[in-house]
Amino acid sequence: GQQVMQIPQYQHVQEGEDFTTYCNSSTTLSNIQWYKQRPGGHPVFLIQLVKSGEVKKQKRLTFQFGEAKKNSSLHITATQTTDVGTYFCAGHNTDKLIFGTGTRLQVFP
Amino acid sequence: NAGVTQTPKFQVLKTGQSMTLQCAQDMNHNSMYWYRQDPGMGLRLIYYSASEGTTDKGEVPNGYNVSRLNKREFSLRLESAAPSQTSVYFCASRPPKNEKLFFGSGTQLSVL
Repeated sequence: GQQVMQIPQYQHVQEGEDFTTYCNSSTTLSNIQWYKQRPGGHPVFLIQLVKSGEVKKQKRLTFQFGEAKKNSSLHITATQTTDVGTYFCAGHNTDKLIFGTGTRLQVFP
Repeated sequence: NAGVTQTPKFQVLKTGQSMTLQCAQDMNHNSMYWYRQDPGMGLRLIYYSASEGTTDKGEVPNGYNVSRLNKREFSLRLESAAPSQTSVYFCASRPPKNEKLFFGSGTQLSVL
């Protein structure tokens, strides 16, 4: 079955440093979504990428979808303590949305 | 709108007990989902329902049953709880023609 892996599993950064998480699927995806889950909270939708090679930005967050539509990345520039949480990618397989294993980000002030 | 509502928020069961997790959404969404979240394993799909009256297995359906009672409600039942089912359970819904999922606040379940 479809598998979606993310690296790293954990990342600790100093406030102001950059952060990147990578997402890799075993199969080609029709689209990829990114979610953020704050500690103790539930996942919240951030963005969806559909086109091969697509790049989207949300303030300090940059999302990329690979040319082969099997991988994606999320880059945060100059992290802030409000960026703390777990970031998940998720890819569609027919009606099912399969989530990656997540990257937990800790930001030290 | 309340969005996606899950009950209960916390539950402790003994091995072999049964229980039903409730989920309701008031956004008129067609699709609903049940995920479980375990440390280091992300969110794994248990069951989903693409529309009222239909249900399908996800990645980890064993030990669970679901009911799509109507368009609003999608329940998850554990017939005989096992310690391996200790987890945080999330219900989610998705509007038609939109890929974005809306999640409930989760149910933390411990099976002793």
